[in-house]
Amino acid sequence: DAGVTQSPTHLIKTRGQQVTLRCSPKSGHDTVSWYQQALGQGPQFIFQYYEEEERQRGNFPDRFSGHQFPNYSSELNVNALLLGDSALYLCASSLETGHATNEKLFFGSGTQLSVL
Amino acid sequence: AQKVTQAQTEISVVEKEDVTLDCVYETRDTTYYLFWYKQPPSGELVFLIRRNSFDEQNEISGRYSWNFQKSTSSFNFTITASQVVDSAVYFCALQGGSEKLVFGKGTKLTVNP
Repeated sequence: DAGVTQSPTHLIKTRGQQVTLRCSPKSGHDTVSWYQQALGQGPQFIFQYYEEEERQRGNFPDRFSGHQFPNYSSELNVNALLLGDSALYLCASSLETGHATNEKLFFGSGTQLSVL
Repeated sequence: AQKVTQAQTEISVVEKEDVTLDCVYETRDTTYYLFWYKQPPSGELVFLIRRNSFDEQNEISGRYSWNFQKSTSSFNFTITASQVVDSAVYFCALQGGSEKLVFGKGTKLTVNP
C-alpha cells in the first residue's frame, strides 16, 4: 500500500519563474493538504483540497494556487517565485470523515524547492 | 488564535538517557487534538500520537510516553532509554475547529552513542 508520494524530490528555480509540485495521496484518501516548511521552522498550512475544490486556506498570497484531480491527486503551483519561497513543501492526505478533528494526516517526504 | 510553543530548540543526550520534549499550546477551542510528529533527515513527518482535549490520561507506547495537562496547556513527550535512531526533529501540533494543523518550531534531538 503506497503512502503519500510527491514529485519531484528536489527542484531548483530562479526568481520570477513558476513551479508545479505534485502529490499522490495514500490509497483510499480523498483529501490533500499542502504545507510549507522553511528551514528550521515547523510546517505551515497552505491550503486543503477536497472534492476538487479548495476548502480552506492559510495565510499565503495568491501566487500559491492548487488543483485536485478526480483521482484525488493534487498539484501546488507557485508563480513569480521569490527567494523566500525556498522551503520543503509537504503534502498530506487524509480521509474525509465529516468531522475535521478526526482527520489523521499522512505526510509525504516533500519536495525541496530552492529559489536562486 | 492557535499557537504551539516548543521552547527547546535543540537537545543533545547520550544513549540510554531519558529525555523530555516540552510542548505548550494556546487555543480558544474547547474541542481540539494534539499531535506529536517525528521528522527524520529523510523529511517525511511520521505520526507518533494524537490526543483529544477530553482525554487527559497519560499514554505509554514502548519507550515513548506522553503527559497531557490541560491545566498548564502542556503536552510533553518523554523518550525513555534513548537510542541513536531516536535522533530527529520532533514537532508538536494542534488541530482545532479550523481543521488545519498548527505546528511548533520543532525540537532537534541528537542522541549520541
